[in-house]
Amino acid sequence: AQSVTQLGSHVSVSEGALVLLRCNYSSSVPPYLFWYVQYPNQGLQLLLKYTSAATLVKGINGFEAEFKKSETSFHLTKPSAHMSDAAEYFCAVSGGINFGNEKLTFGTGTRLTIIP
Amino acid sequence: DTAVSQTPKYLVTQMGNDKSIKCEQNLGHDTMYWYKQDSKKFLKIMFSYNNKELIINETVPNRFSPKSPDKAHLNLHINSLELGDSAVYFCASSQAGDGGKLFFGSGTQLSVL
Repeated sequence: AQSVTQLGSHVSVSEGALVLLRCNYSSSVPPYLFWYVQYPNQGLQLLLKYTSAATLVKGINGFEAEFKKSETSFHLTKPSAHMSDAAEYFCAVSGGINFGNEKLTFGTGTRLTIIP
Repeated sequence: DTAVSQTPKYLVTQMGNDKSIKCEQNLGHDTMYWYKQDSKKFLKIMFSYNNKELIINETVPNRFSPKSPDKAHLNLHINSLELGDSAVYFCASSQAGDGGKLFFGSGTQLSVL
């Protein structure tokens, strides 16, 4: 079974500051890991994903995440926060990408607030 | 064109009623899903269909019945609605083998009174 834990349900950063959202995973098989973002009143959209290739993954909107097996972590970072980054961020894990069976297990989300 | 569209966006109903939520995707994807997001934002998969075939059926009450008339549509019918069914229901789709990249609809906010 797979699970993810997101540390911090709310994170506030100043505009221009570093964004760091934490995610730790648990998986009995090599995991596939994802970060999704949800803007108010919208569905989730994929920011980036790790599928056993490069451990440093770059996504959209300047976000990136690093897979660290020794720490079972997949933290999301962005060097400089922008007001438009304010949203809910979800980490997710899958035990594999199978035909018709992309079962993602989501974390409980982290709400990111940007302070002007 | 919206890639994954759900209707209605809001649904307010009384306990005991039966309601349906419709979902359509125009991405040509093979797989569609229903996810439930509770008031604490926790998101959990309910069902997935691949080419009209049920693949994933989590421990969801029998009152919930998905139907996929074709691979572009996945509807969710809920019988005998209960207060605990109040949540946001998201439809999503993906292309098999596309590495878990899901495209989500904008959600249906269901409120059971």
